[in-house]
Amino acid sequence: DAGVTQSPTHLIKTRGQQVTLRCSPKSGHDTVSWYQQALGQGPQFIFQYYEEEERQRGNFPDRFSGHQFPNYSSELNVNALLLGDSALYLCASSLKGVTNTQYFGPGTRLTVL
Amino acid sequence: QQQVKQSPQSLIVQKGGIPIINCAYENTAFDYFPWYQQFPGKGPALLIAIRPDVSEKKEGRFTISFNKSAKQFSLHIMDSQPGDSATYFCAAFGNTGTASKLTFGTGTRLQVTL
Repeated sequence: DAGVTQSPTHLIKTRGQQVTLRCSPKSGHDTVSWYQQALGQGPQFIFQYYEEEERQRGNFPDRFSGHQFPNYSSELNVNALLLGDSALYLCASSLKGVTNTQYFGPGTRLTVL
Repeated sequence: QQQVKQSPQSLIVQKGGIPIINCAYENTAFDYFPWYQQFPGKGPALLIAIRPDVSEKKEGRFTISFNKSAKQFSLHIMDSQPGDSATYFCAAFGNTGTASKLTFGTGTRLQVTL
């Protein structure tokens, strides 16, 4: 049973650039949530997608956007990168009707220089 | 505003000891309380979860105790092992006013020594 996968594992960007992170949910899951985890902190909710639409959003600026594809995979896009965007970005998958039970991927470590 | 408060920040116990991690919340809309374990460089792994209508839940060596009136819950790890050394996060799921989402505590770094 394939778990949640994310790519790339690590990424280095410079301020002002744009980045795209990718996630494939656990087999059988249709809902994807994205989180930002700063060093030494708990994950912070960015947004959630199901049926190819953003359904829930946390307190993140519009520079953070996403997309979900018909196969349930998802992308997180961040524009105009700031130094403070350096973090571990986590994707979690769940079933639409059971979004409280979320399974996380290994994350993408983004460093902004 | 920290909606889920977690303590202690770090904890060292000997092998076989019972570390206890505590969390407290204010939002009565929270209705599901999972615990996650995270190893360095990895994503959080779901350990065990509880609903507020249950006061205790056990899965293997992990036990959650839940006090609905006090709005507190805790994780106990029985017969702790060095392999349990990791960071543990409590979380709460529910409507925060802006979204129905998981809200995490700040984490507890556990070290189990030989």
